[in-house]
Amino acid sequence: NAGVTQTPKFQVLKTGQSMTLQCAQDMNHEYMSWYRQDPGMGLRLIHYSVGAGITDQGEVPNGYNVSRSTTEDFPLRLLSAAPSQTSVYFCASSKGTSGINEQFFGPGTRLTVL
Amino acid sequence: AQSVAQPEDQVNVAEGNPLTVKCTYSVSGNPYLFWYVQYPNRGLQFLLKYITGDNLVKGSYGFEAEFNKSQTSFHLKKPSALVSDSALYFCAVRDMGRDTGGFKTIFGAGTRLFVKA
Repeated sequence: NAGVTQTPKFQVLKTGQSMTLQCAQDMNHEYMSWYRQDPGMGLRLIHYSVGAGITDQGEVPNGYNVSRSTTEDFPLRLLSAAPSQTSVYFCASSKGTSGINEQFFGPGTRLTVL
Repeated sequence: AQSVAQPEDQVNVAEGNPLTVKCTYSVSGNPYLFWYVQYPNRGLQFLLKYITGDNLVKGSYGFEAEFNKSQTSFHLKKPSALVSDSALYFCAVRDMGRDTGGFKTIFGAGTRLFVKA
C-alpha cells in the first residue's frame, strides 16, 4: 500500500494563478480531508469529504474548492492564488465517517505564492 | 464548538528522563481525543487515542496518555525520553460535521519536544 500520496511536493505560484493539489489514497477510506499548516497555528481544516460526491467546508474554506468523484481521489483547487495561501498542505484519510479512527496523512505540499 | 489547547510551545527534557506534553480540551458531549507526532518535513503520524474505557491509553513508541475528565486534560507521557523522540506533537479532538455528517478534527497549535543527549 502506498497509503496517502500527494503531488506536487513543492510549488511556487504567482498571485492570481490557479492550480490543483492532488491527493490519492489506496486504503478504500471513506473519509478524506485537506489541512493547511502554518507556524504556531497547528493544522486547520479546509474541506472534507465523507464519500464520493459528498464534500463539506472546514474552518478555512475560502479560496479553495474540492470535489470527490471517486473514493480514491480528493483534489484541492486554488482558484486565484494569494500570498496568504502560502502554507504547507496536508491531505489525510480515515476509515469510516464517525471520527473514532485515526487519520493517515500524506507527505505534504509546500506552496509559496509570490 | 470543540477546542484544544497545548499550553507549552516547547518542552525540553534530558534523555532518559520522563516527559510530559500537556493538552487540555473543551467539548460538548463525550470527547474523542488523539495525539499525533510530526517529524521534520513529514506528514503527521498517529500515536494514540482515547475514545472510551480506561483512562490510561498506551500507544506507539512507548508513549501513553492519561485522560482526566474532571480536569479536561489528555497529557502525553513517556517514562524515559529518547533523542529520537524530538519532534512536533499535536493534540486533537473530534468535532461533529454538519449537514453531510462526518466529522471535523480540531488540532492544537503543537508542542515542540527537544530531548537532549
